[in-house]
Amino acid sequence: NAGVMQNPRHLVRRRGQEARLRCSPMKGHSHVYWYRQLPEEGLKFMVYLQKENIIDESGMPKERFSAEFPKEGPSILRIQQVVRGDSAAYFCASSPGGAPVTQYFGPGTRLLVL
Amino acid sequence: TQLLEQSPQFLSIQEGENLTVYCNSSSVFSSLQWYRQEPGEGPVLLVTVVTGGEVKKLKRLTFQFGDARKDSSLHITAAQPGDTGLYLCAGARSQNFVFGPGTRLSVLP
Repeated sequence: NAGVMQNPRHLVRRRGQEARLRCSPMKGHSHVYWYRQLPEEGLKFMVYLQKENIIDESGMPKERFSAEFPKEGPSILRIQQVVRGDSAAYFCASSPGGAPVTQYFGPGTRLLVL
Repeated sequence: TQLLEQSPQFLSIQEGENLTVYCNSSSVFSSLQWYRQEPGEGPVLLVTVVTGGEVKKLKRLTFQFGDARKDSSLHITAAQPGDTGLYLCAGARSQNFVFGPGTRLSVLP
């Protein structure tokens, strides 16, 4: 009964490179949320996806960031041309849907941009 | 503007003491969740409250949702070192969640 899985757990990139973060939701969950957390801060909502659809991307920067949740495979958060300010912990959470919404978080990916 | 405020920001207490942390907002939420997060890990869900005035208990933890569904409290009885962590509240909006900045609790043996 695996929980939410994220990989890699740690990712180091140089400025200008691309970062790809993966999230496999819990079995049976079709809703995925991505959050960013800076040190000593709470989580900031980025994007909410259901299978093959972006439902709410109001928290995601308009440029360089994109997210997808294909029919098969994990959800991917992609950051192009990374800058030092992108360094943070990125968490995904999954939910089975329904109400009230209950999210289960993965262990996060810690991105460091040199 | 922080939609969810949490207080206190930091709390350091001795083992065996009781404590209450608060989560406040001017917004109404359809539900509210409490999480505990330890360093290097993701948040772990503690409870979801839905109904105004609802009280839920989880062993030594008591959670209350305000009557107007704008605020919540978490009370811990006889705190233990294992309770140390960052306590986050999150309010559900139509399509996403908004998180508070957290209360960082340290329980000293």
